[in-house]
Amino acid sequence: DVKVTQSSRYLVKRTGEKVFLECVQDMDHENMFWYRQDPGLGLRLIYFSYDVKMKEKGDIPEGYSVSREKKERFSLILESASTNQTSMYLCASNRGGEDYGYTFGSGTRLTVV
Amino acid sequence: LAKTTQPISMDSYEGQEVNITCSHNNIATNDYITWYQQFPSQGPRFIIQGYKTKVTNEVASLFIPADRKSSTLSLPRVSLSDTAVYYCLVVFYNQGGKLIFGQGTELSVKP
Repeated sequence: DVKVTQSSRYLVKRTGEKVFLECVQDMDHENMFWYRQDPGLGLRLIYFSYDVKMKEKGDIPEGYSVSREKKERFSLILESASTNQTSMYLCASNRGGEDYGYTFGSGTRLTVV
Repeated sequence: LAKTTQPISMDSYEGQEVNITCSHNNIATNDYITWYQQFPSQGPRFIIQGYKTKVTNEVASLFIPADRKSSTLSLPRVSLSDTAVYYCLVVFYNQGGKLIFGQGTELSVKP
């Protein structure tokens, strides 16, 4: 069974901390994505990557950065966590081309206190 | 970018067929239509994808008229476990398949 695995299900961090959210996929997918989901706002795209070492800004990149050093791993970094970054974070991947079916991870619920 | 519009919520009963319609008036020639299902505290799950006419898989059917300005997801004989949020999305071909999620339709299946 193909998988997108997010390293943590729940995280609690303090304001100002540097936070790393890790995502690994085992499907040899080209594309990887980070979303955040908030009540009333739905899923919003933060960053995505079409290839190793490549990254593109999504709709809400402010306060975030990403890293993709290996094809299977896509990391989301909160340089200095703030309370308004408390959210559910979802990682996804897809093969690309005409196969647009995404596989999502189970999510990381991050609370910044 | 093609925006999608779908009902915020729907109610149904077990065993009924449920049809959720989505409008996407500004869909571009090469864009696909895709639907996802999401349960609470889980990531969305891909259901079905289509370009035109009808697509069917083991879970659902997707009907797309010739003008492609709308689409209908059909769930046959729903059960309580189909209670979830269903998202209709237009996949932007020229942006490498980037997904932009709308608010979705919250389907509640009652016994």
